Amino acid sequence: DTEVTQTPKHLVMGMTNKKSLKCEQHMGHRAMYWYKQKAKKPPELMFVYSYEKLSINESVPSRFSPECPNSSLLNLHLHALQPEDSALYLCASSQDGWAWGNYGYTFGSGTRLTVV
Amino acid sequence: GNSVTQMEGPVTLSEEAFLTINCTYTATGYPSLFWYVQYPGEGLQLLLKATKADDKGSNKGFEATYRKETTSFHLEKGSVQVSDSAVYFCALRTGANSKLTFGKGITLSVRP
Repeated sequence: DTEVTQTPKHLVMGMTNKKSLKCEQHMGHRAMYWYKQKAKKPPELMFVYSYEKLSINESVPSRFSPECPNSSLLNLHLHALQPEDSALYLCASSQDGWAWGNYGYTFGSGTRLTVV
Repeated sequence: GNSVTQMEGPVTLSEEAFLTINCTYTATGYPSLFWYVQYPGEGLQLLLKATKADDKGSNKGFEATYRKETTSFHLEKGSVQVSDSAVYFCALRTGANSKLTFGKGITLSVRP
């Protein structure tokens, strides 16, 4: 299994809703990442988990809450989002932990989020 | 800090044309260099990589050589296909506790 699987693929939510994005990998990768990508832009890093511990939070608003239940799973909990949060949310993983850094990332296909 | 500069796009080519997409970088330390491709409606896929000077990464007919003297990692393909139409991102990573730094990306369209 050489994939990162993200669910759901599409999500429409209201500004008062609570929803969660899920990411799963079974490659034994020790670092996992959440990215946000707006149309025609490169991905922007949101969070880094290394060995199941939160290593980096790129000053992301608290309406986004990450969780890493185990080494294979990464969740992103969403609450009280704004329309400008509409974007493609990508999960990625890398073979090394955050402290190593020579490996590329494996990305999932993303969740396309629309906030109405 | 680290940065990646890609040539301005978009790029439109006819099928079987030669492709070059320029990428230059600025980095502290000795970066690993990557090309990622994003097909319409999908996530990013690692296309190729090089981890030290003079390394050549290759995959699916694409090639890029790590040139330390010119701080470049240009992507080339001898004969593009319609299926190569996508957005291409050059990226680098410099080691311990480092983020993957992306260029702005360039859209390639290949017409039959």
